[in-house]
Amino acid sequence: AAGVIQSPRHLIKEKRETATLKCYPIPRHDTVYWYQQGPGQDPQFLISFYEKMQSDKGSIPDRFSAQQFSDYHSELNMSSLELGDSALYFCASSLGRGGWNTIYFGEGSWLTVV
Amino acid sequence: DAKTTQPPSMDCAEGRAANLPCNHSTISGNEYVYWYRQIHSQGPQYIIHGLKNNETNEMASLIITEDRKSSTLILPHATLRDTAVYYCIVSSYSGGGADGLTFGKGTHLIIQP
Repeated sequence: AAGVIQSPRHLIKEKRETATLKCYPIPRHDTVYWYQQGPGQDPQFLISFYEKMQSDKGSIPDRFSAQQFSDYHSELNMSSLELGDSALYFCASSLGRGGWNTIYFGEGSWLTVV
Repeated sequence: DAKTTQPPSMDCAEGRAANLPCNHSTISGNEYVYWYRQIHSQGPQYIIHGLKNNETNEMASLIITEDRKSSTLILPHATLRDTAVYYCIVSSYSGGGADGLTFGKGTHLIIQP
């Protein structure tokens, strides 16, 4: 079965640069979530989109933005990168929103800021 | 979303049943109990979820107490590949947004050969 696809899988950027992560949800899924997991930390919810509209917002820094496109894929844009942004970024998707809809995760994108 | 409490770590012998407890004493009526696991630096993997009835699938069983204040995830025949951090998460349908999952500290389950 198709899963959530994330690209790139690994990314190295310098401080103050910009990075863009892409997420392709499971086919027919209309809801996308972004999570950040720092070294030794648990995943932290950043932001979500439902039907191309921002739906919920977590601990996403102001330097980050995201959007969901007409084909339901999503991109997370990170600007003015800091060393502390080095983390594993997960995208997840679900069909519909709400507690009864199972959320499936991608394998993540490793961002290293040097 | 209600908070959950899990033991930080547990050991289980290979081939035995692994029983992972979770306390969610402040759970409300519209909140589901989800279990995910994360094998080192991989994407969290969905295991099972339930509202108030016990649930079983090919991976595990979920036992929810009648008052819904706690639950137990059961892996019936643990293998070395089940070594992972297991997260018990309570999630609700807010009606106003796509609620993300709030991950707590989880239980690091170590399967011993």
